[in-house]
Amino acid sequence: ELKVEQNPLFLSMQEGKNYTIYCNYSTTSDRLYWYRQDPGKSLESLFVLLSNGAVKQEGRLMASLDTKARLSTLHITAAVHDLSATYFCAVDRGGSNYKLTFGKGTLLTVNP
Amino acid sequence: NAGVTQTPKFRVLKTGQSMTLLCAQDMNHEYMYWYRQDPGMGLRLIHYSVGEGTTAKGEVPDGYNVSRLKKQNFLLGLESAAPSQTSVYFCASRLAGDSRNEQFFGPGTRLTVL
Repeated sequence: ELKVEQNPLFLSMQEGKNYTIYCNYSTTSDRLYWYRQDPGKSLESLFVLLSNGAVKQEGRLMASLDTKARLSTLHITAAVHDLSATYFCAVDRGGSNYKLTFGKGTLLTVNP
Repeated sequence: NAGVTQTPKFRVLKTGQSMTLLCAQDMNHEYMYWYRQDPGMGLRLIHYSVGEGTTAKGEVPDGYNVSRLKKQNFLLGLESAAPSQTSVYFCASRLAGDSRNEQFFGPGTRLTVL
């Protein structure tokens, strides 16, 4: 059974600081997704990582995937208040049905 | 292009009542999924469909039924609602043959069972 663990689950940081959210998973997969969710809203796709060593960047966020370590990171550079949200990673379980297993999410609060 | 839509947005039920949640997508996607989201739990897959007329169980299927009579619609039914089914329900869809295998999510339905 695929397990996906995110840490930390809660992150409070100051504007301008850097931090990394980690996503570990328990079985082989080479497809991993990062989503953002604002309170009361749906999930917004941030990054799609499809191979070992994949790195994607958008603004102050950068995601990477190491399939050998079964680890993905979401790095936040010089955080701003607008980044406050819950971030989820999701791992494709493989097979032909493309089912995702989600982590529990990281609630990020960026304080001025 | 509305994407993935869900009806209703909010609903309050009493224990034992039944209801159906509707998910509709206008992107001609083959795959559709129903998830529930509970505080601190992430999203968990309830049921999914790989095409019109097909359905399959996910991680937490008990107490729910689904139907996919039309390609664009995926219905989630609760025959006898229980307080444990209080949750936010998200529908998602995916295009077959999409190399990114990306799922697109609807806005969610917030269900409270008293």
